Amino acid sequence: RKEVEQDPGPFNVPEGATVAFNCTYSNSASQSFFWYRQDCRKEPKLLMSVYSSGNEDGRFTAQLNRASQYISLLIRDSKLSDSATYLCVAQGGFQKLVFGTGTRLLVSP
Amino acid sequence: EAGVVQSPRYKIIEKKQPVAFWCNPISGHNTLYWYRQNLGQGPELLIRYENEEAVDDSQLPKDRFSAERLKGVDSTLKIQPAELGDSAVYLCASSLRGSSYEQYFGPGTRLTVT
Repeated sequence: RKEVEQDPGPFNVPEGATVAFNCTYSNSASQSFFWYRQDCRKEPKLLMSVYSSGNEDGRFTAQLNRASQYISLLIRDSKLSDSATYLCVAQGGFQKLVFGTGTRLLVSP
Repeated sequence: EAGVVQSPRYKIIEKKQPVAFWCNPISGHNTLYWYRQNLGQGPELLIRYENEEAVDDSQLPKDRFSAERLKGVDSTLKIQPAELGDSAVYLCASSLRGSSYEQYFGPGTRLTVT
């Protein structure tokens, strides 16, 4: 079983839609969680951190449920430029980042 | 500010040949990482350096892979000999000490082994 699991998608949504991605992690010792974004044939970039209390950044909301070992990312009012792969990341021992396989999002006009 | 620089961007070699990748991290970033990303997968850590010391190389296939970070700045990752299964994108990243969650990635080297 992978340490961080995501639905690979793709999620096809129209502009303006709300879309949510989920991610589960298996290592209960994981300390911190993040979402990275990766455009096609580009490098990953940090999108946002994930806190138990929730974290909102504009149209993006991230949530952590430690009891269920579950992380989510909600994107409201999707834009064409949101089309990318979203990588769920867990930070464990020695501050090592473990990346999920990514969820691909395609926003269409 | 310049980002993480990697070269070459693309490399095609035949199996059993050696290959080397170079990385120059963001100035002032003590921590440097090498990742491998296979198609449709997330990046997987190969090795992590704190300055010139390799602090985590547990995922590095040491029979054929080697890395160095002389003087704690630039780094080189080498594969010798390359195998077909080594075809992937090799990403270098760097971060400030204590901020390993915010890693800045280079554009990567796309390796194809034929």
